[in-house]
Amino acid sequence: AQKVTQAQTEISVVEKEDVTLDCVYETRDTTYYLFWYKQPPSGELVFLIRRNSFDEQNEISGRYSWNFQKSTSSFNFTITASQVVDSAVYFCALSEANNAGNMLTFGGGTRLMVKP
Amino acid sequence: DGGITQSPKYLFRKEGQNVTLSCEQNLNHDAMYWYRQDPGQGLRLIYYSQIVNDFQKGDIAEGYSVSREKKESFPLTVTSAQKNPTAFYLCATTDRGLFGYTFGSGTRLTVV
Repeated sequence: AQKVTQAQTEISVVEKEDVTLDCVYETRDTTYYLFWYKQPPSGELVFLIRRNSFDEQNEISGRYSWNFQKSTSSFNFTITASQVVDSAVYFCALSEANNAGNMLTFGGGTRLMVKP
Repeated sequence: DGGITQSPKYLFRKEGQNVTLSCEQNLNHDAMYWYRQDPGQGLRLIYYSQIVNDFQKGDIAEGYSVSREKKESFPLTVTSAQKNPTAFYLCATTDRGLFGYTFGSGTRLTVV
């Protein structure tokens, strides 16, 4: 069965600090997809990134970067020079390719608070 | 613009009542999902449907029912059998999961 764990339930940083959100996953499938979503106070889920299991290259998008390591089953998310607008709940999620329903399994989320 | 529309944004239910949450999409996606989010927690799957006239239970289906009579629509009914329905409900669609998932803006249900 697939499982996603986000051990950090809440992180508080001061603006301009770097912060890393951890994500550890479990799956028996060899082909799977990992996602990060941002949930601002309004509630909608904003897609940030999708990664497939065959692509372990790290990715950078502006102040955001992602470190995918299959050896440790982790897909960590780093925000560089954090800003107040980054305050939100962040979810890591997993979808297995051989899962007939293509369901997303979510971690419990990490609430990030960036203080000015 | 293509997307998902969930309505209403806020919904209040009296105990013992059934209520229906609407989810409509114009993305032409086959698969649709309903998730429940409780405060401070992640999203849990209630029901999903991969094709018209077919749907499957998720992890927490008890007390809920769905229908999929049209590709564009996947309404969720919260029945009186659901003992703790107060939560945030999110609908999602995907094109077979390959290119990501699109989420609606959610419905916040409160029992009064």
